[in-house]
Amino acid sequence: GENVEQHPSTLSVQEGDSAVIKCTYSDSASNYFPWYKQELGKRPQLIIDIRSNVGEKKDQRIAVTLNKTAKHFSLHITETQPEDSAVYFCAAIGTASKLTFGTGTRLQVTL
Amino acid sequence: GAGVSQSPSNKVTEKGKDVELRCDPISGHTALYWYRQRLGQGLEFLIYFQGNSAPDKSGLPSDRFSAERTGESVSTLTIQRTQQEDSAVYLCASSLAGNYGYTFGSGTRLTVV
Repeated sequence: GENVEQHPSTLSVQEGDSAVIKCTYSDSASNYFPWYKQELGKRPQLIIDIRSNVGEKKDQRIAVTLNKTAKHFSLHITETQPEDSAVYFCAAIGTASKLTFGTGTRLQVTL
Repeated sequence: GAGVSQSPSNKVTEKGKDVELRCDPISGHTALYWYRQRLGQGLEFLIYFQGNSAPDKSGLPSDRFSAERTGESVSTLTIQRTQQEDSAVYLCASSLAGNYGYTFGSGTRLTVV
């Protein structure tokens, strides 16, 4: 089945700096890659997603890039703010038609 | 409804008792998923329903776990003879189809004492 690896597990950046989280997947048939943000005690919420026919997608301060050849995708957050502090999960859908999640990255934005 | 609704939000049960968790998906969403999230951990897939197809039960950890869904509506996750290791947040999600973004419910926090 699909296997998704996510790095780093924790990330601390200063307010205003950029943050990058990277994921790799194993199923070459995977075609949908969402990113979820989970604040403490809250449900995961979809923040951005990308499909396999697109290499990059941007939404204000967040962007996702996809390299199908290398089977990896990344989340980029620019001009980080304290409210960006949360756990971020990448995910991929392969042939099994269900999301497989990465292990999460705890992002801490410090003042 | 406007979102995915789960009940109860919290459940404390004694070891060995059975529990039933409920999920109301977004109206029109054909796909429904159950995930388990232990404290500080990631999301562990349990089971997936898509329309009238046979469910994907490949993530259920033991035969104490079962789930049902009536058509494209409510789903219930049942855990029999609960154990302390079952303590976790059980998250339900729904989506328009298998390869669209999920909308998660707020989860049921299960504590087995």
